[in-house]
Amino acid sequence: EAQVTQNPRYLITVTGKKLTVTCSQNMNHEYMSWYRQDPGLGLRQIYYSMNVEVTDKGDVPEGYKVSRKEKRNFPLILESPSPNQTSLYFCASSPYFGTGDSNQPQHFGDGTRLSIL
Amino acid sequence: QKEVEQDPGPLSVPEGAIVSLNCTYSNSAFQYFMWYRQYSRKGPELLMYTYSSGNKEDGRFTAQVDKSSKYISLFIRDSQPSDSATYLCAMSPRVFGNEKLTFGTGTRLTIIP
Repeated sequence: EAQVTQNPRYLITVTGKKLTVTCSQNMNHEYMSWYRQDPGLGLRQIYYSMNVEVTDKGDVPEGYKVSRKEKRNFPLILESPSPNQTSLYFCASSPYFGTGDSNQPQHFGDGTRLSIL
Repeated sequence: QKEVEQDPGPLSVPEGAIVSLNCTYSNSAFQYFMWYRQYSRKGPELLMYTYSSGNKEDGRFTAQVDKSSKYISLFIRDSQPSDSATYLCAMSPRVFGNEKLTFGTGTRLTIIP
C-alpha cells in the first residue's frame, strides 16, 4: 500500500529535550515536505526537499532542522523544543517532476501531535 | 492579509443538500488549485485538483476556478454524512512542481442525517 508513515503519532516532552519525528514514504517520491497545523492558521510549510541532499526552508523554519540522506526518509529535528512548537505536524510526499496537468499533488501522512511543556 | 482566505465555518447542512465551499486568494502567480479533505485525527487527502481556470467534475464533486476573480469553489452534490470533515483549499504557483503549497485554514463541514 502506498503511504507516508510518521512516528511517533503522539509525543509529550519538555522544553529543551531534543526530539526527532521520522517520516518515511514507499512511493519513490522525489519531493517531501513538513507542515505544522495550528487552529486559525491552517497548514504552514516548515521545510521541503526536492531530492536527496537537497532541502530548503518553507514559511516557518525557525527552530527546526531536516535532513534527506535517503530518498524515502525525511526526519524533522527539534534541537531545543519550546512550547510554541506544540502543534500537529504532517509529512507529505509527491513526485517532483511534472508541469501543467501532469503535476502530482502531495500525499500526506496521518500526523504527529507534539506537546512541549 | 493572508494569501489564501477560507471561511472556517462551521457549516452544517442536511443530508442530500448541495454544499458550496469557497476560497479567495491574492497571489496572481497561483496556477494549481487543490481541495483536500481531512477527517478528524487523519492527514489531508486529495479530493480534486485543477490547473488554471475552469471546471472539473469527479462524481459528486465539482471544482471551479475563476482566476479573474481569484476565487475557487468546491461543490458537493447529494451530500452524505460521510462527507463530514474539514475541507482545505491549497494553491501553488506554476513553477517546476508543487513545492510551495499555500493552504487555506479549512472549513469544517457537518452533514446532518
